[in-house]
Amino acid sequence: SQQGEEDPQALSIQEGENATMNCSYKTSINNLQWYRQNSGRGLVHLILIRSNEREKHSGRLRVTLDTSKKSSSLLITASRAADTASYFCATVAGTGRRALTFGSGTRLQVQP
Amino acid sequence: DGGITQSPKYLFRKEGQNVTLSCEQNLNHDAMYWYRQDPGQGLRLIYYSQIVNDFQKGDIAEGYSVSREKKESFPLTVTSAQKNPTAFYLCASSIGLAGGTDTQYFGPGTRLTVL
Repeated sequence: SQQGEEDPQALSIQEGENATMNCSYKTSINNLQWYRQNSGRGLVHLILIRSNEREKHSGRLRVTLDTSKKSSSLLITASRAADTASYFCATVAGTGRRALTFGSGTRLQVQP
Repeated sequence: DGGITQSPKYLFRKEGQNVTLSCEQNLNHDAMYWYRQDPGQGLRLIYYSQIVNDFQKGDIAEGYSVSREKKESFPLTVTSAQKNPTAFYLCASSIGLAGGTDTQYFGPGTRLTVL
């Protein structure tokens, strides 16, 4: 089952603009992670935010988490053509199995 | 180089054949995972293993089998019982329950096509 749902499914912006992607999930979580996937490749971990955290930064990435709304957002500032990829949120449940459940992803296209 | 490798990169299977996808890691991770990805979709968990000689079914285990005889290796067999096996298969590993973060490291994937 898909725990997370990303919004939008696809996003096209110009280089230099900011890109915001949203993720909603259904059950209580231990942590939420964002991954990036270039076309035809494996996933790369970007950032992890725990359920007791509200905001986290890493370079040009900013992640927020609202557990009351069961939602998270990923902001990429000053986007570059090299940021073109699919971005997935993934959650680890608060109880039960310790495996990631992925959303369906946002395909980001950054136009040079 | 430390990392996680998958082979082959491309695999073609005839109807009714079993095929085995390889996944090896030298990160000394306890946990390993297999995912399936269909075009334009997210990842769905097939099987996972938290420790050697133990593994658990994920969300779509039917038609697949795994083994975990060594810490470094977690091969996936796609059996003839899997009715629609054409997909991109991704293997991942993580430190495991002792690590506390669940961050996963992914291999480059194997693209399986049924002829």
